[in-house]
Amino acid sequence: DQQVKQNSPSLSVQEGRISILNCDYTNSMFDYFLWYKKYPAEGPTFLISISSIKDKNEDGRFTVFLNKSAKHLSLHIVPSQPGDSAVYFCAALVDKLIFGTGTRLQVFP
Amino acid sequence: EAGVAQSPRYKIIEKRQSVAFWCNPISGHATLYWYQQILGQGPKLLIQFQNNGVVDDSQLPKDRFSAERLKGVDSTLKIQPAKLEDSAVYLCASSRSTTSGSWYEQYFGPGTRLTVT
Repeated sequence: DQQVKQNSPSLSVQEGRISILNCDYTNSMFDYFLWYKKYPAEGPTFLISISSIKDKNEDGRFTVFLNKSAKHLSLHIVPSQPGDSAVYFCAALVDKLIFGTGTRLQVFP
Repeated sequence: EAGVAQSPRYKIIEKRQSVAFWCNPISGHATLYWYQQILGQGPKLLIQFQNNGVVDDSQLPKDRFSAERLKGVDSTLKIQPAKLEDSAVYLCASSRSTTSGSWYEQYFGPGTRLTVT
């Protein structure tokens, strides 16, 4: 039973354009949602979070949107940079963090 | 602020052998987690400690996996005996006390890549 789903395994975006990574969830009891970025041979790095009582949180080039009625959240990266190329994990928290399977983002020049 | 430290970074063992991983969390972080990440999947929680007590070990295969966090600081995760399906990256993470702001943000170490042959 996959409670957090990232249906796009990969995404390719040109430098300077917007990257949109999507995540769907099934459990309406999740309290927080987090995005992590992971480079090869490194552990996941915390990127941005959003409380379930909010619908938007912004931090520099990164914005997370939460649509509770659709049980959907998205991460927007504007503008995208080559250094953003990594695997992005969506995670949701109730009593433990539940991770999605990740989306590999490639930003090309 | 020093990050989460883990060792070793890589380990190759034969099935039925035993192996141990070590983790030192960020200083002052009360909560420590061990995750298993199988290739192509997201990390899955194995065990969570609050100081030196176990909060959640519901997904830990207790017949072969064990973990301890003596003195509420560093922690070890052991597998004995290992199976082929234990091949994965084992991640340690830590977070602040639940009474702190942003308590839900977990910070991960680099992981230990285990290969069981």
